Amino acid sequence: EAGVVQSPRYKIIEKKQPVAFWCNPISGHNTLYWYRQNLGQGPELLIRYENEEAVDDSQLPKDRFSAERLKGVDSTLKIQPAELGDSAVYLCASSFADRTTEAFFGQGTRLTVV
Amino acid sequence: AQSVAQPEDQVNVAEGNPLTVKCTYSVSGNPYLFWYVQYPNRGLQFLLKYITGDNLVKGSYGFEAEFNKSQTSFHLKKPSALVSDSALYFCAVRGGNNRLAFGKGNQVVVIP
Repeated sequence: EAGVVQSPRYKIIEKKQPVAFWCNPISGHNTLYWYRQNLGQGPELLIRYENEEAVDDSQLPKDRFSAERLKGVDSTLKIQPAELGDSAVYLCASSFADRTTEAFFGQGTRLTVV
Repeated sequence: AQSVAQPEDQVNVAEGNPLTVKCTYSVSGNPYLFWYVQYPNRGLQFLLKYITGDNLVKGSYGFEAEFNKSQTSFHLKKPSALVSDSALYFCAVRGGNNRLAFGKGNQVVVIP
């Protein structure tokens, strides 16, 4: 069974440019998470979806970040415009809705803003 | 809001010796606790979890963790460390709001 798939793996952009990340969760998982991981730090939640509904987006910088999960499956995270401080690894994870279950992570997208 | 503390930045251990990685948590309601491992340029891999029941839980690759409610701790352990265990380890807690919060991580270095 395929795991969580993210693309691209790496992205280098100039500041002020837009960028988008894509995530395909594990089949049947209705909860999807986007995390940001800075170098040497733990993942920080940006947004959590239950099916197509964003149920926890309080830590998403809404002035420049947006996300969508159409049809409750794939998800896209967008940054527009990117800033130097956005350089990080963006991780997508998925799980069943039951909060006793573990989340499974993709390999992440490493974003470098120059 | 829930939080996790991993007090040590790096844990050094000789190969074959016992390995312990410390984690304490803060959460409202019943805690659901998880350990993940991250190898370079990889995503997080699930190791084990505590939901309820026996305070000692066993997971992948010979790892286990002990839940201590009175000390609000969930330390990760391995009786005999391998060089291949060198990686970044994260403790996480999920509370009543279903948010999964991670600690800052511990770098484990197993010395041959």
